[in-house]
Amino acid sequence: DGGITQSPKYLFRKEGQNVTLSCEQNLNHDAMYWYRQDPGQGLRLIYYSQIVNDFQKGDIAEGYSVSREKKESFPLTVTSAQKNPTAFYLCASSWRRDTEAFFGQGTRLTVV
Amino acid sequence: KQEVTQIPAALSVPEGENLVLNCSFTDSAIYNLQWFRQDPGKGLTSLLLIQSSQREQTSGRLNASLDKSSGRSTLYIAASQPGDSATYLCAVRSRLYSGGGADGLTFGKGTHLIIQP
Repeated sequence: DGGITQSPKYLFRKEGQNVTLSCEQNLNHDAMYWYRQDPGQGLRLIYYSQIVNDFQKGDIAEGYSVSREKKESFPLTVTSAQKNPTAFYLCASSWRRDTEAFFGQGTRLTVV
Repeated sequence: KQEVTQIPAALSVPEGENLVLNCSFTDSAIYNLQWFRQDPGKGLTSLLLIQSSQREQTSGRLNASLDKSSGRSTLYIAASQPGDSATYLCAVRSRLYSGGGADGLTFGKGTHLIIQP
């Protein structure tokens, strides 16, 4: 089955620790996106990538980093510089601008 | 910069009613508009995609309309059921930033819908 897989579903981070969220898609989509969702704030764009080996900052990129070494994979690292990382993180992909965007099931990150 | 607003923020209605969710956006230069459903703690499920050249799309009991020139879309749900209870998100696809070619989705904050049995 084609789709987007995010892992893990739940993640706990200690203060000062970097953590990496995985996003894999087998839809052959060129574009991939990372969003952060907080209660009452909607989805906000963290990073996006239109093609392999290229990515751009979104609206709230500070404290995050990404890589796009393979078309199928777009991992997000939440660094210790992100002061308020507790949120629900969603990964999305799409083929062209006139086609549907598809989302993964999300990763809930909690600082402990 | 594109902004998307959804009204109402929350809605609670008895089962069987027809209802309308509203979405407005500030920049009419969009590629398409997509309606999503989100259940608590889950990802987003795509419901309907309307291209910028289209006026409406239908899927089962759902009908979405688009008036690009006025920056408005509505999602009509017929004969609502308790299983329709969820948060409904509207997203427009447009250029993310002026001067750049990249496009992506800008979301509203959603309408939290409760259908009472």
